[in-house]
Amino acid sequence: GENVEQHPSTLSVQEGDSAVIKCTYSDSASNYFPWYKQELGKRPQLIIDIRSNVGEKKDQRIAVTLNKTAKHFSLHITETQPEDSAVYFCAAASGGGADGLTFGKGTHLIIQP
Amino acid sequence: NAGVTQTPKFQVLKTGQSMTLQCAQDMNHNSMYWYRQDPGMGLRLIYYSASEGTTDKGEVPNGYNVSRLNKREFSLRLESAAPSQTSVYFCASSATRAQSLFGPGTRLLVL
Repeated sequence: GENVEQHPSTLSVQEGDSAVIKCTYSDSASNYFPWYKQELGKRPQLIIDIRSNVGEKKDQRIAVTLNKTAKHFSLHITETQPEDSAVYFCAAASGGGADGLTFGKGTHLIIQP
Repeated sequence: NAGVTQTPKFQVLKTGQSMTLQCAQDMNHNSMYWYRQDPGMGLRLIYYSASEGTTDKGEVPNGYNVSRLNKREFSLRLESAAPSQTSVYFCASSATRAQSLFGPGTRLLVL
């Protein structure tokens, strides 16, 4: 089955700086890659996703890049703000996600004032 | 539009007891899922239902059963709870090949 590795497990950045979280996947059939943000005690919330037919997608301060050849994808957050502090999870799926997602273990992003 | 709802929010069980976690969605989604979340482990898929009338095992199905009661509802049953099943359980749903939306979670403690 699919295996998703996520790094780093903890990331501390100064407010206003950029943050990058990286994930690798093992199954070349995976074609859907969402990112979720989870605040303490809350449910995971989708922040951005990308499908394998594109290499990059951007939404305001958040962008995701995908390298299918290397089987890795990354989340980029620019101009970080205190409200960006949370745990971020990457995930991968084949069939567009209909059979469920395989998640990485998460990155705890800490924004230092 | 309530989205995805789960009951109960919190439950304490003794080892060997049984219980059913309930999940419902009002978005007319075809697919529904049960995940568990443990510290440092991310979310792991227990079971899923790609459409009404079908269910399939995920990554960690042992000790669980599911029922897709109708298009709206997908329940998760623990027949004989074990301490290893202490976790936070999330239900999710999605339209075909679309984004998964999560419920608020059920915190389960098995003593």
